[in-house]
Amino acid sequence: QKEVEQNSGPLSVPEGAIASLNCTYSDRGSQSFFWYRQYSGKSPELIMSIYSNGDKEDGRFTAQLNKASQYVSLLIRDSQPSDSATYLCAAAGAGSYQLTFGKGTKLSVIP
Amino acid sequence: SAVISQKPSRDICQRGTSLTIQCQVDSQVTMMFWYRQQPGQSLTLIATANQGSEATYESGFVIDKFPISRPNLTFSTLTVSNMSPEDSSIYLCSVRGTGGEQFFGPGTRLTVL
Repeated sequence: QKEVEQNSGPLSVPEGAIASLNCTYSDRGSQSFFWYRQYSGKSPELIMSIYSNGDKEDGRFTAQLNKASQYVSLLIRDSQPSDSATYLCAAAGAGSYQLTFGKGTKLSVIP
Repeated sequence: SAVISQKPSRDICQRGTSLTIQCQVDSQVTMMFWYRQQPGQSLTLIATANQGSEATYESGFVIDKFPISRPNLTFSTLTVSNMSPEDSSIYLCSVRGTGGEQFFGPGTRLTVL
């Protein structure tokens, strides 16, 4: 069974610090990985996609992928209180149109 | 990314009744998905809805309980039938993007009394 594991948190970081969110996946054939942000009472919003090993940066967000270790991470630099949300990691297997979601990590950025 | 709307945004229903949730997309998409998200939980895929074919249901979900229609490439409905309080949840539709990502509608918050 394909699984995506995340630490449920809550992860608390002070404003301005780097928040590091981690995710592991069980399906070695997974090819595509996504990070979603979900504010309380709202639907998930895609913030990062990553498909190859290494780092991908977009503004304050950096996604990191290590397929050998089956590990994906999301770094949020200069964390702001508005970053406080639940972050969901998702993986898609090779040739699969379905996403497997982790249970999410709740992030709190303390002013 | 596609703009997705859902109706209703929320509803309170009585046990034993049915509710149909609509999902409208502003562009044609091949794949649409229906998820359930119970309080404090992650997303659970109910079914995949492809235009012109029967929906594909995930383990634990059956057509009699969650009938789905997909009459065209911009619209789908999910019906929650013979509801019980255990069906209280947020129901989300999503569409698949070109990179394999999914974009979500705003969700329908359902409370069953």
